[in-house]
Amino acid sequence: TQLLEQSPQFLSIQEGENLTVYCNSSSVFSSLQWYRQEPGEGPVLLVTVVTGGEVKKLKRLTFQFGDARKDSSLHITAAQPGDTGLYLCAGDGLMDSNYQLIWGAGTKLIIKP
Amino acid sequence: NAGVTQTPKFQVLKTGQSMTLQCAQDMNHNSMYWYRQDPGMGLRLIYYSASEGTTDKGEVPNGYNVSRLNKREFSLRLESAAPSQTSVYFCASSEGPSPHYYEQYFGPGTRLTVT
Repeated sequence: TQLLEQSPQFLSIQEGENLTVYCNSSSVFSSLQWYRQEPGEGPVLLVTVVTGGEVKKLKRLTFQFGDARKDSSLHITAAQPGDTGLYLCAGDGLMDSNYQLIWGAGTKLIIKP
Repeated sequence: NAGVTQTPKFQVLKTGQSMTLQCAQDMNHNSMYWYRQDPGMGLRLIYYSASEGTTDKGEVPNGYNVSRLNKREFSLRLESAAPSQTSVYFCASSEGPSPHYYEQYFGPGTRLTVT
């Protein structure tokens, strides 16, 4: 069974600080996705990383896929209150020839003004 | 363009009651999914439909049934609700079944409480 562990589970910081959240597994994934979910809403895809070592930037958010395609990180520079939300990672189990995403439990991020 | 819509938004059931959660998408997507989200556990796939006319079990199918009514609609039925089915249920859709290539779009969720 493929598992994705996210850390930290909860993070509360002041506006303007930098932060990194992690998504780790012992399994290899074909690709890995990051989502943000706000209260009362469904997850919204932020980015998909597909190549080992890949780095993608989305404004102040930087996503990295590990060289071995087993882990990923999300770094936020100069966090803003609008970044508050639940950040979920999900791995593509294509290696196992199915269409199911394997989901982490999420990092709940609160940015205080 | 509504995207993925789900009804109802909230529901309270007593143990043993049945109900159907409705989901519809207007993006002409081929694939649809039902997930449940519980605190501390992330999303778990209940059932999915890779294309119209097909359905397959996900990680946690027990106690649920699904119907892909047409390309737009995918319903989830609880025949005899149990307290363990208290959760938030999300429907999602995508152009194709492989998450490697196709983004999944989620509805706003149904909060279900079984007493």
